[in-house]
Amino acid sequence: GDSVTQMEGPVTLSEEAFLTINCTYTATGYPSLFWYVQYPGEGLQLLLKATKADDKGSNKGFEATYRKETTSFHLEKGSVQVSDSAVYFCALSASGTGNQFYFGTGTSLTVIP
Amino acid sequence: NAGVMQNPRHLVRRRGQEARLRCSPMKGHSHVYWYRQLPEEGLKFMVYLQKENIIDESGMPKERFSAEFPKEGPSILRIQQVVRGDSAAYFCASSPPVRNEQFFGPGTRLTVL
Repeated sequence: GDSVTQMEGPVTLSEEAFLTINCTYTATGYPSLFWYVQYPGEGLQLLLKATKADDKGSNKGFEATYRKETTSFHLEKGSVQVSDSAVYFCALSASGTGNQFYFGTGTSLTVIP
Repeated sequence: NAGVMQNPRHLVRRRGQEARLRCSPMKGHSHVYWYRQLPEEGLKFMVYLQKENIIDESGMPKERFSAEFPKEGPSILRIQQVVRGDSAAYFCASSPPVRNEQFFGPGTRLTVL
């Protein structure tokens, strides 16, 4: 079945460091891929998405590229800030509308000044 | 356009009581999803509903849990005879009929004493 495997955390970085959080997926067909962010005590917010191979999603300095050949959707940011401290979830949705989302286990990021 | 609303935000129940969680989707959204997040774990899909229909309940425990999304009013996730293991954050998400994207509410944090 469809699934997402996400890099284990927690991750601790110094401010302005480079961030990579790995995400690989297994899916039949052509899924859409997402990164969500969860700040402490809050719900999930969509960070970025990509709907087809080679698409690059980007938002707030974060980027991820949909790589069909490696079934990956790694999240990157060139220079993290303390305010980026949160839990990041990779997710996929099977092709079609209104389908179930499959989430990774989440990666906790702490950025220290 | 108000976001997805969930209430209560925090719910405390004693073992054996019933917990009733409510979710009002975003305006125009007819699809509702419920997820459970156990401490230090990722999101687990529970159930996917459209108005008056359960589309996929493959993630729902077989006993004590039920969900509905009536023609009028919010979606309800009901947990009967709660046990300590039910303590978790329960998130609701909604999506419009023709967009493959989910919008999350702030969650209900259930504590069973």
